[in-house]
Amino acid sequence: GAGVSQTPSNKVTEKGKYVELRCDPISGHTALYWYRQSLGQGPEFLIYFQGTGAADDSGLPNDRFFAVRPEGSVSTLKIQRTERGDSAMYLCASSPGRLDRRNEQFFGPGTRLTVL
Amino acid sequence: GQSLEQPSEVTAVEGAIVQINCTYQTSGFYGLSWYQQHDGGAPTFLSYNALDGLEETGRFSSFLSRSDSYGYLLLQELQMKDSASYFCALTSYNAGNMLTFGGGTRLMVKP
Repeated sequence: GAGVSQTPSNKVTEKGKYVELRCDPISGHTALYWYRQSLGQGPEFLIYFQGTGAADDSGLPNDRFFAVRPEGSVSTLKIQRTERGDSAMYLCASSPGRLDRRNEQFFGPGTRLTVL
Repeated sequence: GQSLEQPSEVTAVEGAIVQINCTYQTSGFYGLSWYQQHDGGAPTFLSYNALDGLEETGRFSSFLSRSDSYGYLLLQELQMKDSASYFCALTSYNAGNMLTFGGGTRLMVKP
């Protein structure tokens, strides 16, 4: 079946602008995660959804970042008043959400955000 | 919080065996995972250790020692396509089982 998809693959914006990044998880996966990865570093957790609700948003760096998953499938990460420091690869991952401690997460190809 | 340390870079020859180490600090976790990421690609799951010991999956094996706060990924019969970054990650003690990643080890396989 189809994997996790993310759009756009690349986004270039100007400082101060608003951006939306979209994630389509694997069908049937109830758990959805957003991570941010800077060049040469590991992914850093941003937010986790179980179904429609944000179960843990402790990784969001500040209140300019917000994410939604209104129907329990597609998720949108929203960044207001973008800053140059927001430039990074934004990765989305999904998992079946069962009580499986292995918790294999399936990652999308990411959206490369560049803030000029 | 949690933190994981990995060597930044490892170089090995095609056909050889290489071990990528990971040390961590945490107050508790479910298990240690390993992910592979090729340049420009998405991280993909390789292996998971919930218990101490060795887990083998084809050419890849992963090891965990909770008492030593240490794990490693062992890659055998290296191939050029194994050139990638490898990340260890802890699965957290929380409802979401989110991952905390190390900084990654860049493996270069030479002919």
